[in-house]
Amino acid sequence: AQTVTQSQPEMSVQEAETVTLSCTYDTSESDYYLFWYKQPPSRQMILVIRQEAYKQQNATENRFSVNFQKAAKSFSLKISDSQLGDAAMYFCAYRRDRDDKIIFGKGTRLHILP
Amino acid sequence: NAGVTQTPKFQVLKTGQSMTLQCAQDMNHNSMYWYRQDPGMGLRLIYYSASEGTTDKGEVPNGYNVSRLNKREFSLRLESAAPSQTSVYFCASRPVGRSNYGYTFGSGTRLTVV
Repeated sequence: AQTVTQSQPEMSVQEAETVTLSCTYDTSESDYYLFWYKQPPSRQMILVIRQEAYKQQNATENRFSVNFQKAAKSFSLKISDSQLGDAAMYFCAYRRDRDDKIIFGKGTRLHILP
Repeated sequence: NAGVTQTPKFQVLKTGQSMTLQCAQDMNHNSMYWYRQDPGMGLRLIYYSASEGTTDKGEVPNGYNVSRLNKREFSLRLESAAPSQTSVYFCASRPVGRSNYGYTFGSGTRLTVV
């Protein structure tokens, strides 16, 4: 069965600094998709970034980028120039290509220190 | 605004009471999902519907029933609420044919069973 592991329940970073959130997953599939979702205190789930497994190039969205290591089954999220609005719970998620369901990790709570 | 609408946003039930959580999307998505979020557990899939007229169990279906009323609506019913069902419930949807898409989430329902 596929699993998603986020080993850091909580992290803190100074405002304007860079932080990296870790995620590993277990799968025997070759075609799949990976996602990072942000959940601020408002509770709304917001898609931050996504990565197709067949793409070697790491996805980027403004200050957010990923380090996708397919062989190591690792998918970390880097947030550059951290802002107070980045404080949230972040969930790593996985979906295999021939499946409808997304599997979520348990989340990492990110604190931004002013 | 286009998106996923969940009602109610908050609910308190007594043990043994029943209720239905409503979800509707106006994005013409085929797939719809119900997740529950508990502290330290991430999001766990309760039920999902890949298309109108079909439903399937997820990871934690016990104590719940669902109805895919039409393409837009997917409801979750608790027949006899238990304190273990105290949680935040999220409805989500996803378009078919866009493999790299994640979910669009509703804003969640915080349910407390006393």
